Amino acid sequence: GAGVSQSPSNKVTEKGKDVELRCDPISGHTALYWYRQSLGQGLEFLIYFQGNSAPDKSGLPSDRFSAERTGGSVSTLTIQRTQQEDSAVYLCASSGIARDEQFFGPGTRLTVL
Amino acid sequence: QKEVEQNSGPLSVPEGAIASLNCTYSDRGSQSFFWYRQYSGKSPELIMSIYSNGDKEDGRFTAQLNKASQYVSLLIRDSQPSDSATYLCAVKGGSYIPTFGRGTSLIVHP
Repeated sequence: GAGVSQSPSNKVTEKGKDVELRCDPISGHTALYWYRQSLGQGLEFLIYFQGNSAPDKSGLPSDRFSAERTGGSVSTLTIQRTQQEDSAVYLCASSGIARDEQFFGPGTRLTVL
Repeated sequence: QKEVEQNSGPLSVPEGAIASLNCTYSDRGSQSFFWYRQYSGKSPELIMSIYSNGDKEDGRFTAQLNKASQYVSLLIRDSQPSDSATYLCAVKGGSYIPTFGRGTSLIVHP
């Protein structure tokens, strides 16, 4: 079946602009995670959605970052007033109820000029 | 602060050898353990999950878990150059959010 998909695969933007990154999880997966990975660094947790529950936003680095998940499926991560330090690969992962293994999408590489 | 520690490497092994990757974790309540492979420029790919003490084998891969020692390892038998990648250890306890290690870089040379 289809895996996690993300769009766009690459995004180049200018400092100060807003960007939206999209994640489409595996069908039937109720849990959705956003991570950030800077060059040569580990995975940085950003936000977690589980079904219709309130999201865990504890990893968001600033109030410029927000995310929503519509209808328990597709999620959008929004970064307002982008800064150069926001440049990274943004990864989305989903997991199901029966098994808690995470499956990652291909990521969105964000470059802020 | 939950921590997952991995040697950053690189771990260099000859083709055909056994590669041993190690991971220690701080949270004694951890229940789920995962190994991911990440090729350069790609996203993490799940290799194995393990939940009980002991060994779990899948093809050339064996995960080993010792909860008493708070230690999980991944053995790769008959290592191939295509196994060259960064291997991430992830640990999940009561929280739904796993903690990832920084990864170990593995190089398999012909």
